Amino acid sequence: GENVEQHPSTLSVQEGDSAVIKCTYSDSASNYFPWYKQELGKGPQLIIDIRSNVGEKKDQRIAVTLNKTAKHFSLHITETQPEDSAVYFCAATLKAAGNKLTFGGGTRVLVKP
Amino acid sequence: DTAVSQTPKYLVTQMGNDKSIKCEQNLGHDTMYWYKQDSKKFLKIMFSYNNKELIINETVPNRFSPKSPDKAHLNLHINSLELGDSAVYFCASSQGTGGGVWEQFFGPGTRLTVL
Repeated sequence: GENVEQHPSTLSVQEGDSAVIKCTYSDSASNYFPWYKQELGKGPQLIIDIRSNVGEKKDQRIAVTLNKTAKHFSLHITETQPEDSAVYFCAATLKAAGNKLTFGGGTRVLVKP
Repeated sequence: DTAVSQTPKYLVTQMGNDKSIKCEQNLGHDTMYWYKQDSKKFLKIMFSYNNKELIINETVPNRFSPKSPDKAHLNLHINSLELGDSAVYFCASSQGTGGGVWEQFFGPGTRLTVL
């Protein structure tokens, strides 16, 4: 089955700096890669996603890049703000697997004011 | 309006008891899921239903039984609760499992504590 590795597990940045989280996946047939943000006591919330036919996607301060050959994808947050502090999860899914999401282990991001 | 709702939010119970968690979505989605998040925050899928039909059933003990009375509801019943069942359980829904929109919307979670 699919296996998703996520690094780093914790990330501390100064407000205004950039944060980068990296994920690798094992199944080359995976075709959808969402990123979720989970705030304390809440459920994961989708912040951005990318499909396998696209190499990069941007939404304001958030961007995701996908390298299908290397089987890795990354989340970039620019101009970080204290409200960006949360746990971030990457995931991968296979259409053939019934839209089953396999999550990475999560990255706890702390933005210091 | 809450898109995916779960009840209860907190559940504290003794080992050996039977408990249920309810989930409802008002998004008109066809597919619903149950995920388990352990103490290390690791999220893993347990079950998925599409139009009341079970389509994903991960390696989960038989003590866990999902039930979908209609496509807007997916409940999780757990028999003979064990200490290791303590976790946060998340319900989610999506438009479908095939082509089209795959975004999954998560509920707020139910924190289960087994004493």
